[in-house]
Amino acid sequence: DTAVSQTPKYLVTQMGNDKSIKCEQNLGHDTMYWYKQDSKKFLKIMFSYNNKELIINETVPNRFSPKSPDKAHLNLHINSLELGDSAVYFCASSHGDRGGEQYFGPGTRLTVT
Amino acid sequence: AQSVTQPDIHITVSEGASLELRCNYSYGATPYLFWYVQSPGQGLQLLLKYFSGDTLVQGIKGFEAEFKRSQSSFNLRKPSVHWSDAAEYFCAVGAAGGYQKVTFGTGTKLQVIP
Repeated sequence: DTAVSQTPKYLVTQMGNDKSIKCEQNLGHDTMYWYKQDSKKFLKIMFSYNNKELIINETVPNRFSPKSPDKAHLNLHINSLELGDSAVYFCASSHGDRGGEQYFGPGTRLTVT
Repeated sequence: AQSVTQPDIHITVSEGASLELRCNYSYGATPYLFWYVQSPGQGLQLLLKYFSGDTLVQGIKGFEAEFKRSQSSFNLRKPSVHWSDAAEYFCAVGAAGGYQKVTFGTGTKLQVIP
């Protein structure tokens, strides 16, 4: 009965590869987010979707492409991985316009070698 | 642009002692304010939130925070810290309404010593 789940939890890959991270929420929320947390714990918003529509798109390399097949799922695809992409990626969800009241997934630790 | 400052990177307190974590925000209108906690290897969990009304808000795990508009602050407090409170704490600010982004502070790492 996990509220926000992410797969995989750990991802180790080589530079230049393409990888995807999946996120699902069962809270009935209509808004989902991707965050990147660097080694210093700084948390930065990357994308946000509301009812499958992109509403926040921060300055992120276009190697990162989110996809929302429905409002319960938000996936993140990363092309041509670079060393600097190594971080923990968090998915989160919220209801309507209560955007700050977010529920986070457990994170995916991506290591690019 | 909205911003959040958490001036203390690392705080150490003894178990049973009181705790106050500082947060200052910058926002042009009425903000929504939040405190989140992140235990090692975990995602963030919402501790409490302020939208409007009473400026002293209660949260989970015995935490409270006070919104002071004149000081642009939203400090987190707990009267008696438990060893399990050791974690990273994030203050965040968002717009009052609408699908606006939330800006997180850089976090304060709390260490609890026996």
